[in-house]
Amino acid sequence: DIQMTQSPSSLSASVGDRVTITCRASQSISSYLNWYQQKPGKAPKLLIYAASSLQSGVPSRFSGSGSGTDFTLTISSLQPEDFATYYCQQSYSTLLFTFGPGTKVDIK
Amino acid sequence: QVQLQESGPGLVKPSETLSLTCTVSGGSISSYYWSWIRQPPGKGLEWIGYIYYSGSTNYNPSLKSRVTISVDTSKNQFSLKLSSVTAADTAVYYCARSTQWLGYYYYMDVWGKGTTVTVSS
Repeated sequence: DIQMTQSPSSLSASVGDRVTITCRASQSISSYLNWYQQKPGKAPKLLIYAASSLQSGVPSRFSGSGSGTDFTLTISSLQPEDFATYYCQQSYSTLLFTFGPGTKVDIK
Repeated sequence: QVQLQESGPGLVKPSETLSLTCTVSGGSISSYYWSWIRQPPGKGLEWIGYIYYSGSTNYNPSLKSRVTISVDTSKNQFSLKLSSVTAADTAVYYCARSTQWLGYYYYMDVWGKGTTVTVSS
């Protein structure tokens, strides 16, 4: 099974900050990596697919990068509505999609 | 736009079978993969499995012996059955559309709001 890890597990930031979240796969997954945002009591929302492609309707302050085993989600200027938990998910193994444990972004 | 809605009992007794249905509206169930994902209280996301509109399936190996996902294209619905449930199966259950891009990228781009299922006697 491909294991996904994320760092940090949580972070505190201020509006306007640049925020970076890292996701690491236990083996190379090329660019088969997606990012989701989840707010409390809500369903996850797709932000980035194929490591760096921005989902339609998602603000351009969100960006993704990486390939192989190391990936990054960047929020260029944190907005109040961005406080949420972020999950990475690999789709390299179509036999078992796996999510990272999540990174909670809250207000400093 | 496409919307998904989960439905089913919110309370299931231990050892019984959890049954949920996801109704797809605003679009066709054809030509997509359809997934179930769950989230135990206060925890992360776990992919349960998916079904292609044609009926082919793929399940999480950790749940495979207890999971069945089926599709009814005439009703634009797909369903989840999880047998022999225990308290560990208590979770919010989400259905989601899994889009295949360029023939080999998969991502879940449309989600239902989720339904809470509690396993308790």
